[in-house]
Amino acid sequence: NAGVMQNPRHLVRRRGQEARLRCSPMKGHSHVYWYRQLPEEGLKFMVYLQKENIIDESGMPKERFSAEFPKEGPSILRIQQVVRGDSAAYFCASSPRTDGNTIYFGEGSWLTVV
Amino acid sequence: AQTVTQSQPEMSVQEAETVTLSCTYDTSENNYYLFWYKQPPSRQMILVIRQEAYKQQNATENRFSVNFQKAAKSFSLKISDSQLGDTAMYFCAFPYSGAGSYQLTFGKGTKLSVIP
Repeated sequence: NAGVMQNPRHLVRRRGQEARLRCSPMKGHSHVYWYRQLPEEGLKFMVYLQKENIIDESGMPKERFSAEFPKEGPSILRIQQVVRGDSAAYFCASSPRTDGNTIYFGEGSWLTVV
Repeated sequence: AQTVTQSQPEMSVQEAETVTLSCTYDTSENNYYLFWYKQPPSRQMILVIRQEAYKQQNATENRFSVNFQKAAKSFSLKISDSQLGDTAMYFCAFPYSGAGSYQLTFGKGTKLSVIP
């Protein structure tokens, strides 16, 4: 039973380029969360999605960031026109339901903006 | 707003000894879960232990146990017989479940070093 799969694990982008991070939840999980971890800090919630719906994007910057979880395929976190401050680890988590009893994290994607 | 406070940025412990990491939180909710996550140098987030607030018994997972004091809103993690592989960042996390969402609020973490 594969866990939460994230790719790429490491991504380097120049300022102004786009970054796309992918997350495949655990089998049977229909709830996906994205978190960001800046250096020397804890994880910060960005967005919560269910299939084809954004439920809560209160933690996501209003500009340049977007997320989707289509009916088929992985969830995508997209960052347009990246800046150096976007350099961080981005973690995806999934759960089969909303009660928070069973949340599993992926191994993270490390974005470096040069 | 929920807050989670870890007051110990760094700690160290001798191998085979016991160490306790502290965590306090603030909430107006009555039923909830609390989590401790471990982040080793590989940076993966690993669930160490979770506690259900309505259970009076403290959770235990092998060498890891919690001291949960609901009235004081305190949720400390005790690691017994510390091993070198326990060296990691440890994060306390508390869920917020308002407005149809479910998100975890993390503390800033405690960096634990196990000394041989």
